[in-house]
Amino acid sequence: NAGVTQTPKFQVLKTGQSMTLQCAQDMNHEYMSWYRQDPGMGLRLIHYSVGAGITDQGEVPNGYNVSRSTTEDFPLRLLSAAPSQTSVYFCASRVTGVDGYTFGSGTRLTVV
Amino acid sequence: GENVEQHPSTLSVQEGDSAVIKCTYSDSASNYFPWYKQELGKRPQLIIDIRSNVGEKKDQRIAVTLNKTAKHFSLHITETQPEDSAVYFCAASRGGSYIPTFGRGTSLIVHP
Repeated sequence: NAGVTQTPKFQVLKTGQSMTLQCAQDMNHEYMSWYRQDPGMGLRLIHYSVGAGITDQGEVPNGYNVSRSTTEDFPLRLLSAAPSQTSVYFCASRVTGVDGYTFGSGTRLTVV
Repeated sequence: GENVEQHPSTLSVQEGDSAVIKCTYSDSASNYFPWYKQELGKRPQLIIDIRSNVGEKKDQRIAVTLNKTAKHFSLHITETQPEDSAVYFCAASRGGSYIPTFGRGTSLIVHP
């Protein structure tokens, strides 16, 4: 198993550009989440999904969209990038009955 | 919703000393408390967890204690080593389909 795979690892965007951060897992996990990590702020939940076709907002959803058309993939879309979205983004997944998350390696995004 | 407070934000110890990180939570229905370790530039990884029906759990040099009445739980690391240097995150959730809420993290520095 590859686990949780995130692409790209690094990205620089200009203000106003849009992009999609990719997340894929091959462990047949139902639950997937997107977090952003900023210095001193911990891991803040952006969006999450409890299964294909089901998504919901987390603590900081503004400026982001998600979809879950398959169990494996959970892309995060930045609609119009802003400097405040400069952060490290982590995707995580888990399976029913196991509460601990497996994290991807992260995407470091800089918006200039 | 759940609120998790974590202290201290930075902890500096000498190699061989013990380290204690404390977290409090607000939702009395939370019943699952994981701890994650994040080395510099790496992804968070689950190192130990505890459920509300257990007061203490140990795994070699690390242990976690839970006080449900006071709604706080702690991570204890004994005989610290330089490779224990990392950011540690606590989290709390109701388990099942609920998404965990993370603390802001503790940067542990172990000096050789």
